[in-house]
Amino acid sequence: QKEVEQDPGPLSVPEGAIVSLNCTYSNSAFQYFMWYRQYSRKGPELLMYTYSSGNKEDGRFTAQVDKSSKYISLFIRDSQPSDSATYLCATSDTGRRALTFGSGTRLQVQP
Amino acid sequence: GAGVSQSPRYKVAKRGQDVALRCDPISGHVSLFWYQQALGQGPEFLTYFQNEAQLDKSGLPSDRFFAERPEGSVSTLKIQRTQQEDSAVYLCASSLGLGGQNYGYTFGSGTRLTVV
Repeated sequence: QKEVEQDPGPLSVPEGAIVSLNCTYSNSAFQYFMWYRQYSRKGPELLMYTYSSGNKEDGRFTAQVDKSSKYISLFIRDSQPSDSATYLCATSDTGRRALTFGSGTRLQVQP
Repeated sequence: GAGVSQSPRYKVAKRGQDVALRCDPISGHVSLFWYQQALGQGPEFLTYFQNEAQLDKSGLPSDRFFAERPEGSVSTLKIQRTQQEDSAVYLCASSLGLGGQNYGYTFGSGTRLTVV
């Protein structure tokens, strides 16, 4: 079993919909949680970063971390066709600088 | 430069051939990471440099994989005697600080290696 599990999708939604993307993880030592967006044939780009539990909002994006259930979420409001990409969750602990990624969820926003 | 630059963008190698992949990080970035991304998967950690020191190479899959960053800037990932299972996108990332967590990485666009 992988340390970070993520539904691969694809997830197809109409423009303007609210999108919910989720990951679960197994390592209690994980303290840092990130969401990356990856367009086709590009490297991942950082969208959201959260330390420990709680919510963080940035424009149309909200990241949530629930450490009690080891659950990570990303919400996208008013989704746009330009949001069509693969979304990767990533985690790490304080002792190790490497990130552990989920397998990514492919999102398609239909105009 | 403005971003992390990787070359070549695409590489086709015959099985058994040696390859070298280059990464030019953002100027002044202390930390440099290599990741391997198989098709339909998330990136998997290979190795980490802090300046010229290779502090973590626990993700390198075999002794055929070797990475260096001799002057603390440009890094090269070398794969000897390539095998078909080495086919993947190899991503390089750099960060200003000592770790990627607090500052976020900047990834390059990767080198897509196909072993035939």
